[in-house]
Amino acid sequence: GAVVSQHPSWVICKSGTSVKIECRSLDFQATTMFWYRQFPKQSLMLMATSNEGSKATYEQGVEKDKFLINHASLTLSTLTVTSAHPEDSSFYICSAQGHRETQYFGPGTRLLVL
Amino acid sequence: QKEVEQNSGPLSVPEGAIASLNCTYSDRGSQSFFWYRQYSGKSPELIMSIYSNGDKEDGRFTAQLNKASQYVSLLIRDSQPSDSATYLCAVNYRYSGAGSYQLTFGKGTKLSVIP
Repeated sequence: GAVVSQHPSWVICKSGTSVKIECRSLDFQATTMFWYRQFPKQSLMLMATSNEGSKATYEQGVEKDKFLINHASLTLSTLTVTSAHPEDSSFYICSAQGHRETQYFGPGTRLLVL
Repeated sequence: QKEVEQNSGPLSVPEGAIASLNCTYSDRGSQSFFWYRQYSGKSPELIMSIYSNGDKEDGRFTAQLNKASQYVSLLIRDSQPSDSATYLCAVNYRYSGAGSYQLTFGKGTKLSVIP
């Protein structure tokens, strides 16, 4: 149980395009989902907290107009990187919160912006 | 400021030995504690959760919690080369009045099990 999927697993795009990443909790409902970013050899960095039916809460320094988050249902949250640039290239990981605040992570999405 | 501290390592142990990973946290109000394993290039994977003082065992893994000392540890018995990974300690804290929680992660301890 407690499986979280992400799609796509990797994406290569041209600078200036937008990329949407989906995060789904497959066998449980998640009121809260989280989006993280991780650069090579660095720690997980929380970008935003996504609550179903309400606006996401962004961490300091994360541009909400650039990283659009939608959590329209209890099993789906999406992250859209708008007008992506090479510095946005990273490993994006979502997690869904289950019982007793346990976070279950998706497999991650590697984004490469050329 | 909510902080979770871990020794970054690397921690090297021979195959078959016990690996001991430690973590301290700053928020006395935290109630939930987690250990995640992250292989290079992969996302974190939950290994253990612990909520009460004392030990919790699951196979070769034992989590230990001491809330008075604000200390959490993970013991890995009979370490295998496949255990080589970065281990992340995570502690919950409430971030809004509506009962919403986030996890604060430590920077992780890199474990290397030598065959």
